[in-house]
Amino acid sequence: EPEVTQTPSHQVTQMGQEVILRCVPISNHLYFYWYRQILGQKVEFLVSFYNNEISEKSEIFDDQFSVERPDGSNFTLKIRSTKLEDSAMYFCASRRTGEAEYFGPGTRLTVT
Amino acid sequence: EDKVVQSPLSLVVHEGDTVTLNCSYEVTNFRSLLWYKQEKKAPTFLFMLTSSGIEKKSGRLSSILDKKELFSILNITATQTGDSAIYLCAVGAAGNKLTFGGGTRVLVKP
Repeated sequence: EPEVTQTPSHQVTQMGQEVILRCVPISNHLYFYWYRQILGQKVEFLVSFYNNEISEKSEIFDDQFSVERPDGSNFTLKIRSTKLEDSAMYFCASRRTGEAEYFGPGTRLTVT
Repeated sequence: EDKVVQSPLSLVVHEGDTVTLNCSYEVTNFRSLLWYKQEKKAPTFLFMLTSSGIEKKSGRLSSILDKKELFSILNITATQTGDSAIYLCAVGAAGNKLTFGGGTRVLVKP
């Protein structure tokens, strides 16, 4: 069964450094998402992406964040200058029209 | 602001028991309600509900939606230790995002 994949599974970075989190959505899906979950808290929406552009973003998704679909398969989240409070599990998700969102296994980001 | 509230926060049952998990919501332009199971990392999809009163069933799990009263329940019958997890309710609005509840942590003891 097709799955969303994410790399790396764990990323440790120093405050102020740039990180890129990578995702490969399910191949025939058209809507792509990034969510995050800070330890012990709710899963929070960051951004949705459709037809090669951002369709919606949350207030968390400020100028430090960007997304890209550089080719037909990858979907990336870049954080330009990481802060301690960016430490969280980042989930990529994808879906087809009218269907449910399927989540990847997540990337645990630790900012020191 | 969209809001999803789950109850109870947590529960402990013994194998063979039945559990009922609740999810109430307030969203603008409701699209769908989804249930996920979160064991270690990623939320795993269980059900998507869009219409009131139609029960969705998968093995020992079932779920139903009430769009008039704005809630859903997830039932697990004949619980097994493998059902131990956090169960997440999420509501999709007409935009694209899902709004998640805080989850219900279920522990099934042998």
